Amino acid sequence: DTGVSQNPRHKITKRGQNVTFRCDPISEHNRLYWYRQTLGQGPEFLTYFQNEAQLEKSRLLSDRFSAERPKGSFSTLEIQRTEQGDSAMYLCASSFQPLTSGNYEQYFGPGTRLTVT
Amino acid sequence: KQEVTQIPAALSVPEGENLVLNCSFTDSAIYNLQWFRQDPGKGLTSLLLIQSSQREQTSGRLNASLDKSSGRSTLYIAASQPGDSATYLCAATDNYGQNFVFGPGTRLSVLP
Repeated sequence: DTGVSQNPRHKITKRGQNVTFRCDPISEHNRLYWYRQTLGQGPEFLTYFQNEAQLEKSRLLSDRFSAERPKGSFSTLEIQRTEQGDSAMYLCASSFQPLTSGNYEQYFGPGTRLTVT
Repeated sequence: KQEVTQIPAALSVPEGENLVLNCSFTDSAIYNLQWFRQDPGKGLTSLLLIQSSQREQTSGRLNASLDKSSGRSTLYIAASQPGDSATYLCAATDNYGQNFVFGPGTRLSVLP
């Protein structure tokens, strides 16, 4: 499978616990994005990486959230001290940005559904 | 700040009908506009991407148009089928694709 993969697909945790999600992008893609989606809404941008560098973070990404892409390949998103409001689908996407202008078409993974009880 | 809206929020049509979904954006300085399909509980599937220099893109029964000056894009679906039932989302990128802003989606039901 050469698409974007995410693990786990579902996570149920108790309020106050830490959780970590993983995203494996399409192998030649140098950009990786994280989004959060709640029921009935479109995805909301959280952060993105160009290779291993985290270039932008949304105001939605509170101090309890941290994302890494240590070797410019897979990425992890950690949520510390989870709250019920963190319950959502967390989506990862990747794209390829060439050195010159390009189309930046994004390809999404299946998402990780987080439920905080 | 870019804002993206989609109308209608939901649409129900009989099989075989042609239909148009609308997407509006407030900042015309976009780089790309991309249409996605999302099935319940699933991730997003890319349908069409239109670069800012283009006016439309076609793939099979789908045609997407872009009018930057009016801040609008439309997705035309010809000869709809029950398998087209899903939520359709549009997303606009700012310069250099640094930020994708999504609309809330249109939930489409195609009745057999």
